[in-house]
Amino acid sequence: QVQLVESGGGVVQPGGSLRLSCAASAFTSSIYGMHWVRQAPGTGLEWVAFTLYDGSYKYYGDSVKGRFTISRDTSTNTVSLQMNSLRAEDTALYYCAHSSSSGLDYWGQGTLVTISS
Amino acid sequence: SYVLTQPPSVSVAPGQTARITCGGNNIGSYSVHWYQQKPGQAPVLVVYDDSDRPSGIPERFSGSNSGNTATLTISRVEAGDEADYYCQVWDSNSNHVVFGGGTKLTVL
Repeated sequence: QVQLVESGGGVVQPGGSLRLSCAASAFTSSIYGMHWVRQAPGTGLEWVAFTLYDGSYKYYGDSVKGRFTISRDTSTNTVSLQMNSLRAEDTALYYCAHSSSSGLDYWGQGTLVTISS
Repeated sequence: SYVLTQPPSVSVAPGQTARITCGGNNIGSYSVHWYQQKPGQAPVLVVYDDSDRPSGIPERFSGSNSGNTATLTISRVEAGDEADYYCQVWDSNSNHVVFGGGTKLTVL
């Protein structure tokens, strides 16, 4: 069983930056990678970013590409999301999720990011 | 970019069968995963690779995928199944995860 705990959320002004972290209790032997997924209030799930477990490939959603950077530290079982040039529409609950090759099988409880002046 | 279309809502009486669809162009060629999200909780994977269930998910949850439609079927629906359900695929053309818009299942 993998437990994921996100941290780093908060209130930031438009144009500001924030760094989210996701600490994993362990990674399964079948881990493929880690994702960040967000959910704005009252809306559906939006995929944000993915990193292959070894960091060799990283992919981003169109709305965050060029502003957000995903990284991982396998020595500490941590995945981070550096968010720059934040906009009001980035306001959401941000989840990290562990991925085998078959779906996002473990999710954290999320950390809330609010962009407001 | 690839688009997945779900009905906004589905209603079903307790004990009946709920079917939630997920439409996409030639979705049958993709592996589809389904998530259940209850209010205030993180999503939970309930079906992966079209029709497989993670451990701990009741056999009442099943999936199918063919042509342009994938379907999540919940048999013998219970009040506790009331939740939002999302389908998801990996689009290898864009290297993007794609979620459907979600379907709210209401148990009457």
